[in-house]
Amino acid sequence: DGGITQSPKYLFRKEGQNVTLSCEQNLNHDAMYWYRQDPGQGLRLIYYSQIVNDFQKGDIAEGYSVSREKKESFPLTVTSAQKNPTAFYLCASSRNKDYEQYFGPGTRLTVT
Amino acid sequence: EDQVTQSPEALRLQEGESSSLNCSYTVSGLRGLFWYRQDPGKGPEFLFTLYSAGEEKEKERLKATLTKKESFLHITAPKPEDSATYLCAVQADYGGSQGNLIFGKGTKLSVKP
Repeated sequence: DGGITQSPKYLFRKEGQNVTLSCEQNLNHDAMYWYRQDPGQGLRLIYYSQIVNDFQKGDIAEGYSVSREKKESFPLTVTSAQKNPTAFYLCASSRNKDYEQYFGPGTRLTVT
Repeated sequence: EDQVTQSPEALRLQEGESSSLNCSYTVSGLRGLFWYRQDPGKGPEFLFTLYSAGEEKEKERLKATLTKKESFLHITAPKPEDSATYLCAVQADYGGSQGNLIFGKGTKLSVKP
């Protein structure tokens, strides 16, 4: 069964703690993306990677970090430097940047 | 500045009442326009890609069309299971962010039985 998995579905953290969100795909896609979704706003791009061991900042990268050591995996770390980390986080992948993106089920992060 | 605007923000229909959702965009060069469906608490589900003005794509009760400035998602005889938020995104054909999608805020569709 091909697809994108994100874990966990819900995540709760205390302010000041770093937290890592998992994203795995078995679609053999080269490109992977992280978005953030807030109520009343469009999806905003945090980071993207077009190939293993390479990634670029999106529109709202401050307070986040990523790695792309394997083609299938693109974890996102929300650091304590992110001022408003509570949000719905979506991971996506595509064959390459010129093709449609497919999304995972999302992780809802709540920081108190 | 590249921008995507979707209207209306919310739309309530009776089952069987056909209507259209609008996505207007401002990019100098369009590489592609994408439609997604998103159910509450879930990730967006890919529906269509449109590349050039005049292009149309269909899937069940949905038909997407594209002009040089906007796209429409037509819903024919909708059913309650069509209730969802529909997202539009564009991909610009230039610049350092080439390939990155610009999303609209979505149209929340409710279909009452």
